[in-house]
Amino acid sequence: DTAVSQTPKYLVTQMGNDKSIKCEQNLGHDTMYWYKQDSKKFLKIMFSYNNKELIINETVPNRFSPKSPDKAHLNLHINSLELGDSAVYFCASSQEVIYNEQFFGPGTRLTVL
Amino acid sequence: AQSVAQPEDQVNVAEGNPLTVKCTYSVSGNPYLFWYVQYPNRGLQFLLKYITGDNLVKGSYGFEAEFNKSQTSFHLKKPSALVSDSALYFCAVRDPRGTGGFKTIFGAGTRLFVKA
Repeated sequence: DTAVSQTPKYLVTQMGNDKSIKCEQNLGHDTMYWYKQDSKKFLKIMFSYNNKELIINETVPNRFSPKSPDKAHLNLHINSLELGDSAVYFCASSQEVIYNEQFFGPGTRLTVL
Repeated sequence: AQSVAQPEDQVNVAEGNPLTVKCTYSVSGNPYLFWYVQYPNRGLQFLLKYITGDNLVKGSYGFEAEFNKSQTSFHLKKPSALVSDSALYFCAVRDPRGTGGFKTIFGAGTRLFVKA
């Protein structure tokens, strides 16, 4: 059983397109996250949802819009894709207590041409 | 502001030798510290964490970490390295936010290379 799953695994698209990445967790966690990992492997949080409510919204272009239809799903929609959006995007989940670890999905490698 | 530093981009060690991956942190309150490992083309996996209590924390795959409050360090260790330990290791600290939600701040990562 996959704990945190993401689709698609790879996404290759042209500049200016709109694309979405989906994430699902079956761990019963109440909090989900989106992270961006750049080409130097630096990992930065983008968004976090707790029970469908946005609780962390870092300095991210408003072309990025997360949506959480329920606490098991967190999707990321990106409008007007730019070359600099190329990265690996990771979804993660946890039960939101400060000392709890996060569980990561396998990542979605986005390449913008 | 909370921060995490991993001073080494890469650590090289021979198989069977002990390994240490360094991490220092800066927090304004009690530190909640974590180590994660990332294998190629995979998501991060949790290894171990420090919350409170015993300064030596044991985790998955034979890894352990030592919390040192005076040196504000949380170094990852393993007594005998395996080739399969070769991966990217991230130290992280959780940042309690007054508005709710806990932001995890990751270090830049240290690549561990274990030579056979």
